[in-house]
Amino acid sequence: EIVLTQSPGTLSLSPGERATLSCRASQSVSSSFLAWYQQNPGQAPRLLIYDASSRATGIPDRFSGSGSGTDFTLTITRLEPEDFAIYHCQQYGNTPWTFGQGTKVEIK
Amino acid sequence: EVQLVESGGDLVQPGGSLRLSCAASGFSFSSYWMHWVRQAPGKGLVWLSRINSDGSSTYYADSVKGRFTISRDNAKNTLYLHMNSLRAEDTAVYYCARVNVWHCGGDCYNDYWGQGTLVTVSS
Repeated sequence: EIVLTQSPGTLSLSPGERATLSCRASQSVSSSFLAWYQQNPGQAPRLLIYDASSRATGIPDRFSGSGSGTDFTLTITRLEPEDFAIYHCQQYGNTPWTFGQGTKVEIK
Repeated sequence: EVQLVESGGDLVQPGGSLRLSCAASGFSFSSYWMHWVRQAPGKGLVWLSRINSDGSSTYYADSVKGRFTISRDNAKNTLYLHMNSLRAEDTAVYYCARVNVWHCGGDCYNDYWGQGTLVTVSS
């Protein structure tokens, strides 16, 4: 199975700053089938990015995804208060589907 | 509006059984593949099982294979997860999630998630 490793585990930033989250795969992700989800405490995950770089419906353009192969990045250009949450990456190119362990973006 | 509502979570003893349900509305349930995903307290997301649109094909993570069974009733717009031989490590919030099969032509990302139901396995 493909193991996804997210870094850092926690990112401490201030509103308005730029956040860069990494997701590294143990082997190449087929067709860049990688998604990013945002999760607030006690809530369900919400799809942000699919196919590594496509924004889901209704997602603000301050969120962007990039990468291919084994290295992927989620960038939030200017953090808004509602962006402080946990972010998960997921690969869906190979079964079993796998998730990273998550990156928490917290207010500094 | 797409809605997925899980139910059935409870406190159960080790070795016990439980059936989770996921009621779907706002979309053509019978046209979509579905997943179950769980999240242990303070941990990441773990994919458990997938079922295709008519229920003829299922797939499981090794951790639950032989103990959990995914099924669906398209007439009732409901997804199920039957869980047997429960262990303490099965304690988690269980989510159902829709697979955007129309985008990928098969296995794909999860575009909608339910709010989850908590299963606690403890004596």
